[in-house]
Formats: sequence, C-alpha cells, structure tokens
Amino acid sequence: DVKVTQSSRYLVKRTGEKVFLECVQDMDHENMFWYRQDPGLGLRLIYFSYDVKMKEKGDIPEGYSVSREKKERFSLILESASTNQTSMYLCASQGARQRFFNEQFFGPGTRLTVL
Amino acid sequence: TQLLEQSPQFLSIQEGENLTVYCNSSSVFSSLQWYRQEPGEGPVLLVTVVTGGEVKKLKRLTFQFGDARKDSSLHITAAQPGDTGLYLCAGDSGGYQKVTFGIGTKLQVIP
Repeated sequence: DVKVTQSSRYLVKRTGEKVFLECVQDMDHENMFWYRQDPGLGLRLIYFSYDVKMKEKGDIPEGYSVSREKKERFSLILESASTNQTSMYLCASQGARQRFFNEQFFGPGTRLTVL
Repeated sequence: TQLLEQSPQFLSIQEGENLTVYCNSSSVFSSLQWYRQEPGEGPVLLVTVVTGGEVKKLKRLTFQFGDARKDSSLHITAAQPGDTGLYLCAGDSGGYQKVTFGIGTKLQVIP
C-alpha cells in the first residue's frame, strides 16, 4: 500500500518563527508536491519536485522554500511564519511510471496555526 | 490556468437518499480523478476516468466522464453517513506532472 507520512498533524508557531514541515513517501516515487488547502480556495500548489535536488515553483511559492535531498523526503520551509500562512498543508507523491500518471497520493496533512 | 468548477459546493442529505455532484471545465482533460477527503485527513483517491463517455462503478458510487472529456459526475446511491466528506475532482491536460483541483463538494449524510 502507498504510504505518505507527514511529520506533524498539528503545529502551532509564532509569527516570525522558521517552520519545517516534512513529508516522507515509501513508494519510490519521483514526484512530490506541497499544497495548502483553505476554505473556499481549494488546494493550491506551493512547490513540487520531480527529482532529488530539483524543485519547481507552483502557484503560490511566496514565503516558502523546499528541500529535497533524498528521493523519499520533501520538506517545506516557512522562512518567517506569518498569520496568513495558517492553513492545512498537504504533501502528495506521484510515480512517473504509474498507470495513470497524474494520480497523486496524499499524506494526512499538517494543520498549522501561526499566532 | 485551467479551472475545474464543482457543484454544488455544499450538500446535506438524509441517509438513503441519492445524489449527484458535478465537475465542469471549459478545458479538455486527458484524465480526471475523484478524491474523498474526510475532516482532518488528506484526500484519498477514489477513481480515475480516462476515456470520453466512460462509466466506472465503485460499490454505490458511479463516476462518469463526459464525451468531450471536459466534465464529470459522481452519483451516490443510497447515501450512508460514512460517505460524509469533501469530494474533489482533479484533472490534467497531459502537461508535465501538475494537476488542477476543484474546490470540492462538501457532503453531509445525516443518519
């Protein structure tokens, strides 16, 4: 079975703190994604990575950075957290050789609150 | 940017009722996925439809892809409280890796 795990389910941070969200997948997938999900706005892509050390900006990359040092791990970094980054953060992975290419497998999410 | 519009946005029904939710776009998709997301959890893939006119069934759930591959519907027969959740559709145009998600339909099935 496909397994995507995220380091925390709930996180509370203060404005200005540096925040690390980690995602690990055990499917040897090439592609990994970070989304944020907000009511009325749906899932918005922050960054994605199609290979180790490779990254591409998504639709809303401002205020975020990412790191992919190993194939199974994709980290999202909030350099200086702000209250408007309070959200549900979802990590997903996708295999380049799976039958239906754009199927994504999601982690359980991290509910981040920035005070 | 391709848009996927889902309707209705909210639906509250009694257990045992039937319902249909819709996913529409002006763009053609090479494939389309449906996901269900329970509160506080990540989306879980239900099905992928690929061929125009395709119908797939998953127990009480019936998924249809429009002939022109621009729209899709999800029909639930005899809804159960366990069907409660956010139903998301997602599609791609065959471009590299990225998909577009709809905002979702939030379904509540009341016992």
